[in-house]
Amino acid sequence: DTAVSQTPKYLVTQMGNDKSIKCEQNLGHDTMYWYKQDSKKFLKIMFSYNNKELIINETVPNRFSPKSPDKAHLNLHINSLELGDSAVYFCASSQALAKATGELFFGEGSRLTVL
Amino acid sequence: AQRVTQPEKLLSVFKGAPVELKCNYSYSGSPELFWYVQYSRQRLQLLLRHISRESIKGFTADLNKGETSFHLKKPFAQEEDSAMYYCALRTGFQKLVFGTGTRLLVSP
Repeated sequence: DTAVSQTPKYLVTQMGNDKSIKCEQNLGHDTMYWYKQDSKKFLKIMFSYNNKELIINETVPNRFSPKSPDKAHLNLHINSLELGDSAVYFCASSQALAKATGELFFGEGSRLTVL
Repeated sequence: AQRVTQPEKLLSVFKGAPVELKCNYSYSGSPELFWYVQYSRQRLQLLLRHISRESIKGFTADLNKGETSFHLKKPFAQEEDSAMYYCALRTGFQKLVFGTGTRLLVSP
């Protein structure tokens, strides 16, 4: 199955903990993203990597650190979790910037609940 | 500022009725606009893009630069059209800015 896959799908944790969400794509894309969807369903871009290089870094707290070990993987690590971090986090990928069509391929989302 | 506005959180229609999901944008450059859809228990996926001028699943959307709008329309709604619809604006470097989404509910 060619797709964007994220793990875990659900994550429940306590305030102050550190957690990671992993993302992998086997579509051969060069660009990967993390989006955050809040309780009102608003989708906001957080980060984008092109071929392991950070190209978009929106105003996101330093507690969020993306890591791209290779162009097929983009992981999201969150330190000192806060209640406001509760959301659904979507990973996405797309073709390289030069061939960009505007089409993003999304993962199924990871629902993070901070208690 | 780059912004996409979808004024309706929920749009409820009966099967066979016409549908129009509104989208307005704010962008100083040349806009590229898209509609994405998320069906129940499925991934968010591209429905259509304005540059293609295509009709997908009976949906069309026309970019109106004068009104800065990109409304999504379908003449006869079907129950399977029930989903969450997001309008998105490409603002360069493959960055997509999404609206807040409109949930379309088509009742039998």
